[in-house]
Amino acid sequence: DQQVKQNSPSLSVQEGRISILNCDYTNSMFDYFLWYKKYPAEGPTFLISISSIKDKNEDGRFTVFLNKSAKHLSLHIVPSQPGDSAVYFCAAKVAGYAGKSTFGDGTTLTVKP
Amino acid sequence: DAGVIQSPRHEVTEMGQEVTLRCKPISGHNSLFWYRQTMMRGLELLIYFNNNVPIDDSGMPEDRFSAKMPNASFSTLKIQPSEPRDSAVYFCASSLVTTGVGTQYFGPGTRLLVL
Repeated sequence: DQQVKQNSPSLSVQEGRISILNCDYTNSMFDYFLWYKKYPAEGPTFLISISSIKDKNEDGRFTVFLNKSAKHLSLHIVPSQPGDSAVYFCAAKVAGYAGKSTFGDGTTLTVKP
Repeated sequence: DAGVIQSPRHEVTEMGQEVTLRCKPISGHNSLFWYRQTMMRGLELLIYFNNNVPIDDSGMPEDRFSAKMPNASFSTLKIQPSEPRDSAVYFCASSLVTTGVGTQYFGPGTRLLVL
């Protein structure tokens, strides 16, 4: 049972446009949701997070939206830049469990110049 | 801080050989995670430790895999004997677990190829 799902393996957008990456989850006990970004030959790096008590968190060009009733979150990148081309992982965690996060399979974003 | 350090960065070995992957977490972090990434299965959590104690090893694929954390600054993941299907990128991550978001910091990974 995959508790965190990223149904789109890939996404391609034009530079300057909005990129929207989606993530669905099944466990209502998740209290934090995180997005990580991964470049080839590197480990994932933390990008942005959101608490389950909020519905939006913004950091520069990156905004994460959370819809708890739909068990859905999305990452918006505006405007998209070629340097944003990477694999984006959605992750979720439950309070406790020593910080364990459950990861989605990732979405490969390509931003074309 | 140097971040999470993993060694070796690349490993090529023959089937049946023992492989040991090493990880040095960020100083002060109290949780450590081992992941495996493959095209077929994505990013899988193999095992994680909290305060050097293994908490959940349910992701370890089989008895050929073992992990240790003898102290707060070092962990190993061992595969013995190795098989071609173990070929993957293995990541180590560490985290300072408080009551907050628990961001994980990943190392650069070890790319393992078993021939």
